Amino acid sequence: DAGITQSPRYKITETGRQVTLMCHQTWSHSYMFWYRQDLGHGLRLIYYSAAADITDKGEVPDGYVVSRSKTENFPLTLESATRSQTSVYFCASSDRGQGDTGELFFGEGSRLTVL
Amino acid sequence: GEDVEQSLFLSVREGDSSVINCTYTDSSSTYLYWYKQEPGAGLQLLTYIFSNMDMKQDQRLTVLLNKKDKHLSLRIADTQTGDSAIYFCAERPSGANNLFFGTGTRLTVIP
Repeated sequence: DAGITQSPRYKITETGRQVTLMCHQTWSHSYMFWYRQDLGHGLRLIYYSAAADITDKGEVPDGYVVSRSKTENFPLTLESATRSQTSVYFCASSDRGQGDTGELFFGEGSRLTVL
Repeated sequence: GEDVEQSLFLSVREGDSSVINCTYTDSSSTYLYWYKQEPGAGLQLLTYIFSNMDMKQDQRLTVLLNKKDKHLSLRIADTQTGDSAIYFCAERPSGANNLFFGTGTRLTVIP
């Protein structure tokens, strides 16, 4: 099906483990984003990518790594998970053509719990 | 980063109007957005307004923009139980590639 999909939807892990959250979009959008959602903070940008092999830090990048070897995939890796990274993670994509409103299309989210 | 502020909670009775308010910081923002998040789901664009507009109406939704005060509001007429959700205000400053979101307002509609 077309759209943006995230996996896994739910993940429980332990402190210190590596975790990778996957994001795949079928629209060939050039821009992709990772946000985390926490109560009282709304959504905060972790990393974004303007195109394959181009990534940039957002507001809260520490402890996270991203890659974008293909336009359609944008995985987010927590190299050594900490309890403070317990959150709901949202992937989004956007096609920022000229005159575009810049609307973001969101996946359904990945709920991560770090014990 | 940008600071987009919203109140956290709002309760209204079914059939009444709901007004969700938002203040943003960047006067260069070209577009301002309202997103809706239903339980267990991602965010979906509800409506947006271009910065050179004061008002936008779309069926039961009315967006008002006061650029002088950097204030954005979303009015939902005849609120229904299906409108219960979290509503996020967001801005995209000029030249930015991403959106800056508020904390979200959880709207509860009482039958």
